[in-house]
Amino acid sequence: AQSVTQPDIHITVSEGASLELRCNYSYGATPYLFWYVQSPGQGLQLLLKYFSGDTLVQGIKGFEAEFKRSQSSFNLRKPSVHWSDAAEYFCAVAGRRGSTLGRLYFGRGTQLTVWP
Amino acid sequence: EAGVTQFPSHSVIEKGQTVTLRCDPISGHDNLYWYRRVMGKEIKFLLHFVKESKQDESGMPNNRFLAERTGGTYSTLKVQPAELEDSGVYFCASSQTGGSNEKLFFGSGTQLSVL
Repeated sequence: AQSVTQPDIHITVSEGASLELRCNYSYGATPYLFWYVQSPGQGLQLLLKYFSGDTLVQGIKGFEAEFKRSQSSFNLRKPSVHWSDAAEYFCAVAGRRGSTLGRLYFGRGTQLTVWP
Repeated sequence: EAGVTQFPSHSVIEKGQTVTLRCDPISGHDNLYWYRRVMGKEIKFLLHFVKESKQDESGMPNNRFLAERTGGTYSTLKVQPAELEDSGVYFCASSQTGGSNEKLFFGSGTQLSVL
């Protein structure tokens, strides 16, 4: 069965510190992988996605993620966190259903708090 | 360009009542998805429309939930009668069919509280 695990429910970092949010998945085939961010009162915004090719993916807002097939992981990283990065982060996987993306399977989310 | 819009942003109802949630996707997006997040748990898929047709409704919890997308534009999700366990945030997302470039745009959600 498809599933996504985000082992850290809440992470606190100081502004300027580096960040890594963990994501492990279980999927029958090589999935499409995503990281979304949700700020209070906002919808989920796509940070980055991996479909194929280079396993290190660059996204918006200075985020990157690395797909490691052997570890079934897709961890999100940022070298220097800004106070505006405080939000909830969701990892998700999907397969392809015909010509569309199909359903996403989400993790439970990681709430990021940034100390000034 | 307007994003995905959901109405209402919050709804508080009593158990047994009926509630209808609405989603207006981005104009021209054929794909429309409904997701739900129960507090403390993961966001879960409910169903997927392609234009006005239900492509996948395997995530609908039970027959108290009815989703429609008449004319392939906006969609409604009706819960009748509502139960306590239906409380949560209901998200809508839309996308254009575009192969590996397909990107989902999410609305800000409807917070449903069933008392």
